[in-house]
Amino acid sequence: AQSVAQPEDQVNVAEGNPLTVKCTYSVSGNPYLFWYVQYPNRGLQFLLKYITGDNLVKGSYGFEAEFNKSQTSFHLKKPSALVSDSALYFCAVRDWGGPGGYQKVTFGTGTKLQVIP
Amino acid sequence: DGGITQSPKYLFRKEGQNVTLSCEQNLNHDAMYWYRQDPGQGLRLIYYSQIVNDFQKGDIAEGYSVSREKKESFPLTVTSAQKNPTAFYLCASSQTGTSVHEQFFGPGTRLTVL
Repeated sequence: AQSVAQPEDQVNVAEGNPLTVKCTYSVSGNPYLFWYVQYPNRGLQFLLKYITGDNLVKGSYGFEAEFNKSQTSFHLKKPSALVSDSALYFCAVRDWGGPGGYQKVTFGTGTKLQVIP
Repeated sequence: DGGITQSPKYLFRKEGQNVTLSCEQNLNHDAMYWYRQDPGQGLRLIYYSQIVNDFQKGDIAEGYSVSREKKESFPLTVTSAQKNPTAFYLCASSQTGTSVHEQFFGPGTRLTVL
């Protein structure tokens, strides 16, 4: 069974400092990994995904994520945090499964990012 | 604008009532999904549909029902059998096929049981 863990419920960072939101995963085959962001009372917005290739994936709003196969991690990063980055961040992993090749996606429990002015 | 719409934004249900949450997309996506979000639990899959007139149970389907009569629409009914329906409900859609596709989410419906 696939799973994804976000070990930190909340991350606090000062504006202008680099930020990291951690994610580790477990799958039986090759992982397909995603990061989404959710602002209060809104749906999730896609940030970036890893399929194959370069371990450093660049996404929207200046975010990037580093895939590390040996550590089974896919941490989200940004060189300089903005107050407007404050939101709930979800890591997700995709596996093949179910009838008709359904692309089941498992989401982590989310990490609240608070950027302090 | 292309996207996914959900209505209503807020919904209140009395004990024993069935309620239906609307989800419409104009992205021409074949696949649609319903998730339930509770604080500290992430997103849990209720139902999904890969194509019109077909849908499958997700991880927490008990007390819910869906239909997929049109490609654009995937309504969710929360029945009286759902014992704890108060939650934030998210609809999503995606392309299908061999490539790895992200999901696009609607703005959500917050359901409260009175």
